[in-house]
Amino acid sequence: DAKTTQPPSMDCAEGRAANLPCNHSTISGNEYVYWYRQIHSQGPQYIIHGLKNNETNEMASLIITEDRKSSTLILPHATLRDTAVYYCIVRLALMDSSYKLIFGSGTRLLVRP
Amino acid sequence: DGGITQSPKYLFRKEGQNVTLSCEQNLNHDAMYWYRQDPGQGLRLIYYSQIVNDFQKGDIAEGYSVSREKKESFPLTVTSAQKNPTAFYLCASNTISNSYGYTFGSGTRLTVV
Repeated sequence: DAKTTQPPSMDCAEGRAANLPCNHSTISGNEYVYWYRQIHSQGPQYIIHGLKNNETNEMASLIITEDRKSSTLILPHATLRDTAVYYCIVRLALMDSSYKLIFGSGTRLLVRP
Repeated sequence: DGGITQSPKYLFRKEGQNVTLSCEQNLNHDAMYWYRQDPGQGLRLIYYSQIVNDFQKGDIAEGYSVSREKKESFPLTVTSAQKNPTAFYLCASNTISNSYGYTFGSGTRLTVV
């Protein structure tokens, strides 16, 4: 099973970009990279996912290296409400085309005023 | 609005008692999942179900039981055999063909007193 490695904590200034790295060196060719975030005592919230190409949505951008062994989640203009734990996850395929997500400890992002 | 509802939000249990956590979704999702989260830790998978009347053990199923009699409902019972049940419990769902990840409930915080 592909595993991910993230720094335990990071901080950035409000209004600046937050770049959260993730290593997934054992990822296989058909496994997606997902990012979720969890604000204290709430359920995790989906942010973005990708396979090979870089992706962007209204919340964030996802940059995946060409060898797919690492990725970076970019919050372009961090706000105080972005303070949360961010999880980088590789989707594990099950039989019948379903899948399960394995959550590690994540990165605790603190956005400073 | 569609979503996942977990109840109750807070639950207190005496040692030796069984307790059941409710999870209901109106998203017409096929698969449902139960995760446990301890303070400062990531999420660990307890049980999951891909279709009605079928479910699979996750990584930490001992001391827990589930049922999936209806597509909308996936209750989790924490039995007296679970030695350390105090934790935050999260329910999630997704459609098997959906690549946009899980939808999570808001969680139940269980405390043994």
